Amino acid sequence: DQQVKQNSPSLSVQEGRISILNCDYTNSMFDYFLWYKKYPAEGPTFLISISSIKDKNEDGRFTVFLNKSAKHLSLHIVPSQPGDSAVYFCAASDRYGGSQGNLIFGKGTKLSVKP
Amino acid sequence: DTAVSQTPKYLVTQMGNDKSIKCEQNLGHDTMYWYKQDSKKFLKIMFSYNNKELIINETVPNRFSPKSPDKAHLNLHINSLELGDSAVYFCASSQTLRAVTSNYGYTFGSGTRLTVV
Repeated sequence: DQQVKQNSPSLSVQEGRISILNCDYTNSMFDYFLWYKKYPAEGPTFLISISSIKDKNEDGRFTVFLNKSAKHLSLHIVPSQPGDSAVYFCAASDRYGGSQGNLIFGKGTKLSVKP
Repeated sequence: DTAVSQTPKYLVTQMGNDKSIKCEQNLGHDTMYWYKQDSKKFLKIMFSYNNKELIINETVPNRFSPKSPDKAHLNLHINSLELGDSAVYFCASSQTLRAVTSNYGYTFGSGTRLTVV
């Protein structure tokens, strides 16, 4: 039972173009969403987050959009750089529910940015 | 100066053995976690400890036991290893139990790749 879904296992983008990574969730109690970036042989590192009270959060080249009615969020990277090549995990949290603030992760999307 | 460190990075062992994975964080965080990334690439919570108390114990076999000698350490001990235990195990920490109160969520270690043969 996947509560957080990343349906695209991989994405290939040309350097300088926009990368759009998508994430869907099923639990309407989720109220905080995060994106993590993971390089091979390393642990995931925090990238950007968004609270359910917002629909957009921007940090430099990274922007996360949240559509609560569709239970969908996306991560935009503009412009994409070769160093952005990594696996991106979407994660969600139910802050006050039974999960005790535990993060639920998607399967990840492998982004390849080609020079 | 690594924030969350795990040892060993790689572990190859035979079925039936008992092994431990160590984790230490120097961030002063209150809560630590163990996650398992299986062959399907899902990152699934196994345990979390808040101030030395077990907070979450998901449906993990009791062959797995977390041990926390102090707030900065959360070790994972596995008894009677099975082939299906092969995975990458990640330790993580967060400032508080309510990870989302911090914008950074969790800080992860680099993972331990366990291979059971």
